[in-house]
Amino acid sequence: QAVLTQPPSVSAAPGQKVTISCSGSSSNIGNNYVSWYQQLPGTVPKLIIYDNYKRPSGIPDRISGSKSGTSATLAITGLQTGDEADYYCIVWDNSLSAGVFGGGTKLTVL
Amino acid sequence: QVQLVESGGGVVQPGMSLRLSCTSSGFTFSLHIMHWVRQAPGKGLEWVAVIPPDGTNDFYADSVKGRFTLSRDNSRNTVFLQMNTLRVEDTAVYYCTRQRVSCSGETCSSADGLDVWGQGATVTVSS
Repeated sequence: QAVLTQPPSVSAAPGQKVTISCSGSSSNIGNNYVSWYQQLPGTVPKLIIYDNYKRPSGIPDRISGSKSGTSATLAITGLQTGDEADYYCIVWDNSLSAGVFGGGTKLTVL
Repeated sequence: QVQLVESGGGVVQPGMSLRLSCTSSGFTFSLHIMHWVRQAPGKGLEWVAVIPPDGTNDFYADSVKGRFTLSRDNSRNTVFLQMNTLRVEDTAVYYCTRQRVSCSGETCSSADGLDVWGQGATVTVSS
């Protein structure tokens, strides 16, 4: 069983909003920062959220992150076809003494 | 230009060894915690290992513990991943990635987020 749980896929129409959840436990999300990555087809992963909700420079504010308890959420509003990608959460797990990724979520913009 | 370049990938038989290198440029390598992340064909990202700036207290995923070893040479701005006793399931693209640093004045400390990634080195383990 995966340490972090993400939905395998989500979809929404252009212009709409989508959320992607990342569920963990007190040994990881509950006590550490979560970051999120976007991997466009055939490309290298790209950091889009760090420290649970902060955006690196160049990431639009229609992308946001939040955390509550042992779950984190990535939200993308004003969906564009260019947002179609795989999205991953990662956090440090204190019990495992290891980094752990969620299984990834494929976003389809219908 | 901030950059990470992996090298050393290839095709090997099960049980053999490979050493990947990741050479950095454009930033102060010795300030950064460095990670390796891999992605098997058609699969998601898997965290592999991490090494701090001084090269001590490295950590590994259970799937590679005891077989993979990280080291770094800050004078050469390079981190190495020694992979021994390779298995078919180690077949993947291996990414070297840098953990963010947050600086206040002249004081910098490690921060959350993997903000620079290499293009990846392909490792294929097959008989």
